[in-house]
Amino acid sequence: GAVVSQHPSRVICKSGTSVKIECRSLDFQATTMFWYRQFPKQSLMLMATSNEGSKATYEQGVEKDKFLINHASLTLSTLTVTSAHPEDSSFYICSARKVSGELFFGEGSRLTVL
Amino acid sequence: QQQVKQSPQSLIVQKGGISIINCAYENTAFDYFPWYQQFPGKGPALLIAIRPDVSEKKEGRFTISFNKSAKQFSLHIMDSQPGDSATYFCAAISRGNNFNKFYFGSGTKLNVKP
Repeated sequence: GAVVSQHPSRVICKSGTSVKIECRSLDFQATTMFWYRQFPKQSLMLMATSNEGSKATYEQGVEKDKFLINHASLTLSTLTVTSAHPEDSSFYICSARKVSGELFFGEGSRLTVL
Repeated sequence: QQQVKQSPQSLIVQKGGISIINCAYENTAFDYFPWYQQFPGKGPALLIAIRPDVSEKKEGRFTISFNKSAKQFSLHIMDSQPGDSATYFCAAISRGNNFNKFYFGSGTKLNVKP
């Protein structure tokens, strides 16, 4: 299957700081990438859809100024959690969609805000 | 409104047994149905997928059964192994909306007992 790399896998930060998470499709070009948040023992919650070269589309209830998404190239999308607070602690997962429609996920990033 | 309903929430199967996870959907526009496997602390991995023009797809020990008239699809894991213990998510999407939104089930935690 296709490879989607997500970095960092774990990050601990102080409250008020910003954290950037990278998502790269290593062996295919992804015009669309998605960012999810997953709470313990729950399903994936779609946060936003990121299209290369355009602004991300955020789901209802997701603060776009809080969760900045950039999709600068066909292989890279970034999620920046700005002014992070403890309630932002979560497991963030990116995914990249192939032209064929198949969706491949990154390994996830565990964010802990102290 | 939940677009894809998944059951059971958790499942315990003895080694060598058959694990069966069911999903149901309402939107007849859905035309691609993947299953994902997620281990703790990892991102979901694409396991197997089916399109509605076939009633069954088999890959190794994993089989998807699809019932278009009932709007249901299921994952069967034959000869279940302890290594199959993970959370499984079904999903559905419409190619008509350019694959821009995957709808995920709530997940099934499978525990295969040795």
